[in-house]
Amino acid sequence: DIQMTQSPSSLSASVGDRVTITCRTSQDIGNFFAWYQQKPGQVPKVLIYAASTLQSGVPSRFSGSRSGTDFTLTISSLQPEDVATYYCQKFNSAPGWTFGQGTKVEI
Amino acid sequence: EVQLVESGGGLVQPGGSLRLSCAASEFTFSRFWMTWVRQAPGKGLEWVANIKEDGSDEYYVDSVKGRFTISRDNAKNSLYLQMNSLRAEDTAVYYCARYNNYGRYSLDVWGQGTTVTVSS
Repeated sequence: DIQMTQSPSSLSASVGDRVTITCRTSQDIGNFFAWYQQKPGQVPKVLIYAASTLQSGVPSRFSGSRSGTDFTLTISSLQPEDVATYYCQKFNSAPGWTFGQGTKVEI
Repeated sequence: EVQLVESGGGLVQPGGSLRLSCAASEFTFSRFWMTWVRQAPGKGLEWVANIKEDGSDEYYVDSVKGRFTISRDNAKNSLYLQMNSLRAEDTAVYYCARYNNYGRYSLDVWGQGTTVTVSS
C-alpha cells in the first residue's frame, strides 16, 4: 500500500506571505495527484490537477509542483480569501484515492 | 451547467440502512469514474468508494467494505451508495464527485452533499 503524509496540519501567516504545503507519498505515483481548497461551509474545489496544472479560474498565486514522491502546493502571496483548509489527494488503486489529513491556513 | 445533485440522506438508527443517490447532468456520465467522499463533522475529507465508467470495477475504503455498495445506472445518469449496518462513525456529509481521468487527474465536479446522521 502507498501511504501519504500531509504537512503541516495548520499554519498561520500574514497577508502577502509565501505559504508552502507538502504531501509525501511512500512510492512513486506519477502525476496522479490533486490539490483542493475547502472554505468553511463550502464544497471542496480543485486547485491543481495532475500534480502541477492550475485549474481554470484559480488565481495564479497558487501553484503545484512535484519532485519524485514530494508534492508541494505554494501560495505565492497569501490573501485574506485564501483562509481555508487544503487537501491533497492521490489516485492509485491501493489503498484507494486517499486524501491527506488537511492543512488549515489562517491569517 | 455540469452538475451533480445528491439525495437520500437523513437520520437513521445504528444498524440501519440508507441509499444515497447522485443525479448527474450536462456531461456524458458513462465516460467517467465516479466516487463518494465523506466528511464527518469537524473532520477532514475521506474517500469512501469509487466505480469504473461501466460499473465493472469498484473499490472501497476498508472501514466500509462489506457494508457499503457503490453502483451506477448509466442510462439514468445516476450514482448510488447503498449503506447497510450503519454505525455512529458513518455520520458525515456525503459528496458524490466526478473523477476526470482525461489528463486532468482530479475530482473536478462535486455535488453539494447530503447529510447522514446515525444515531438512536
